[in-house]
Amino acid sequence: KAGVTQTPRYLIKTRGQQVTLSCSPISGHRSVSWYQQTPGQGLQFLFEYFSETQRNKGNFPGRFSGRQFSNSRSEMNVSTLELGDSALYLCASSLGQAPGGELFFGEGSRLTVL
Amino acid sequence: GNSVTQMEGPVTLSEEAFLTINCTYTATGYPSLFWYVQYPGEGLQLLLKATKADDKGSNKGFEATYRKETTSFHLEKGSVQVSDSAVYFCALSEGDYKLSFGAGTTVTVRA
Repeated sequence: KAGVTQTPRYLIKTRGQQVTLSCSPISGHRSVSWYQQTPGQGLQFLFEYFSETQRNKGNFPGRFSGRQFSNSRSEMNVSTLELGDSALYLCASSLGQAPGGELFFGEGSRLTVL
Repeated sequence: GNSVTQMEGPVTLSEEAFLTINCTYTATGYPSLFWYVQYPGEGLQLLLKATKADDKGSNKGFEATYRKETTSFHLEKGSVQVSDSAVYFCALSEGDYKLSFGAGTTVTVRA
């Protein structure tokens, strides 16, 4: 079956702009999580959604937001971009019924902020 | 809070060498433990996991045992191949729908 699909794969923005990233989970998966990966901070949890409800949120400023649609697809938005937001943003999906279950990751969206 | 500490890289080995990557954790409860692997240009994928003390996870020749007494989950492989070159991440979950990752260890295997 198809894996987790993230779009766009690469994008370049300038400071102050906003960006929306999209994630389509594996068919049948109702949980979608987002992670930020940077060389300095490593992999950091942004948020997790299940059936359109945010169940957990990481320690990121309010400029980072997300949502999940009824078909389980998810988007995350970063407003007022800063240079430090340059990162690989990874989406992961799972069945979501049992905490700690296996996450299936997409290849990521690489954001560069100039 | 939860945290994961894994050995610094990079690690460079010759084919057929023994690989071990140390991982220790701090958690308030009884977490599930994972090793994820990221091959060049790909997303993370689960390598193995263990959900309770003394469990051994294994996959593709890799093994790790959940040691509650030493709060460790070290990854081992007896004979590595060039195809094992990747970044390896130790992670834990305490049932709060998120993973806490270690910094990652880059492993390069030379032919």
